[in-house]
Amino acid sequence: EAQVTQNPRYLITVTGKKLTVTCSQNMNHEYMSWYRQDPGLGLRQIYYSMNVEVTDKGDVPEGYKVSRKEKRNFPLILESPSPNQTSLYFCASRKTSGRIGEQYFGPGTRLTVT
Amino acid sequence: RKEVEQDPGPFNVPEGATVAFNCTYSNSASQSFFWYRQDCRKEPKLLMSVYSSGNEDGRFTAQLNRASQYISLLIRDSKLSDSATYLCVVNDPDSWGKFQFGAGTQVVVTP
Repeated sequence: EAQVTQNPRYLITVTGKKLTVTCSQNMNHEYMSWYRQDPGLGLRQIYYSMNVEVTDKGDVPEGYKVSRKEKRNFPLILESPSPNQTSLYFCASRKTSGRIGEQYFGPGTRLTVT
Repeated sequence: RKEVEQDPGPFNVPEGATVAFNCTYSNSASQSFFWYRQDCRKEPKLLMSVYSSGNEDGRFTAQLNRASQYISLLIRDSKLSDSATYLCVVNDPDSWGKFQFGAGTQVVVTP
């Protein structure tokens, strides 16, 4: 089954404790992206990657890091989480060939930073 | 000013009725537009891409108005299962990788 998976699905942590949210896709997509969703603000793009070893900032990259060492994986790293990073996080992937098309989203990770 | 704006609703629609709503975007050079559907904070799923000439998919019709910089979504013969939040998505014209999402329009279809 074609899918994007994220782990963990739920996480409660404390300020300053480094964490990683994993994202993996099995569709051989070149493009992957991370978004956060907050009430009233919609999804905001954190980082994206057009292919392996190629990453770029989205609109809200501060406080986050990413890496793209393999095509299928795109982990999101919070080196020193703060309460304002409490949010619902989505990973997405899509093909880069042809017309810009559908992004496939993972199920989301609910992060609470206390 | 937000780059992509939507009326948050909710739009309360009787079953079988038609509902339509718009999304405005600020960058006139934008080329790619999409409507996604999101159920109760679950993952967004593509409903339809929006093409210049307008397009229809069953009961759903999307239109693009470049002069006024908005896209629209019309749902005919609304079903209870159409209750969801509809997200407008616009691709950044300067980067194929960047996307702006609207905050969503909530539609509630009632029996």
